[in-house]
Amino acid sequence: GAVVSQHPSWVICKSGTSVKIECRSLDFQATTMFWYRQFPKQSLMLMATSNEGSKATYEQGVEKDKFLINHASLTLSTLTVTSAHPEDSSFYICSARAMGRFYGYTFGSGTRLTVV
Amino acid sequence: KQEVTQIPAALSVPEGENLVLNCSFTDSAIYNLQWFRQDPGKGLTSLLLIQSSQREQTSGRLNASLDKSSGRSTLYIAASQPGDSATYLCAVEPVLTQGGSEKLVFGKGTKLTVNP
Repeated sequence: GAVVSQHPSWVICKSGTSVKIECRSLDFQATTMFWYRQFPKQSLMLMATSNEGSKATYEQGVEKDKFLINHASLTLSTLTVTSAHPEDSSFYICSARAMGRFYGYTFGSGTRLTVV
Repeated sequence: KQEVTQIPAALSVPEGENLVLNCSFTDSAIYNLQWFRQDPGKGLTSLLLIQSSQREQTSGRLNASLDKSSGRSTLYIAASQPGDSATYLCAVEPVLTQGGSEKLVFGKGTKLTVNP
């Protein structure tokens, strides 16, 4: 089945630094990938849609300059949290779909970001 | 705006019991509905995908039904085991509207505990 690999699984960084999270589709090509954020005991909140070769589409209220998304190839999307602050601490999950709506979405294993 | 509701928010059952998790959505214009499982601190694992034209899907001890017209889906788990303990999330993919973008809309989940 379709596999999405996400790295790192956890990261601790100092306030003011930047952190990059990678999301790879291992056995399929994904022109579109999705980035979610999940707060404790809450459901997933879609942050942005990553489009291969073009700019990402951000959901309302998500800061484009804080959460930089790059989708440089059909198998890799990255999310960079810039100038991280403690309030950016959260669980970030990426997702992709193999081919069209006949297939469901596959999710990465998530990244726990802690900003100290 | 599509909204997804899951009831109950939490459920605790003894091992071996059959159980039903409920999901409702406000707009029947969907492409599909997907059930996921999330273990603590982990990403999402897809359990079942039901296309809008389908009524149910089965995988092992899991059976999911979809009644699109009434905006309801159920996930039936037979002979529950302690390993089934997790949060179960329901998500729908709304039909694209003009200017809209591909996305999933999630419920807040049902936290299931199966006691040995």
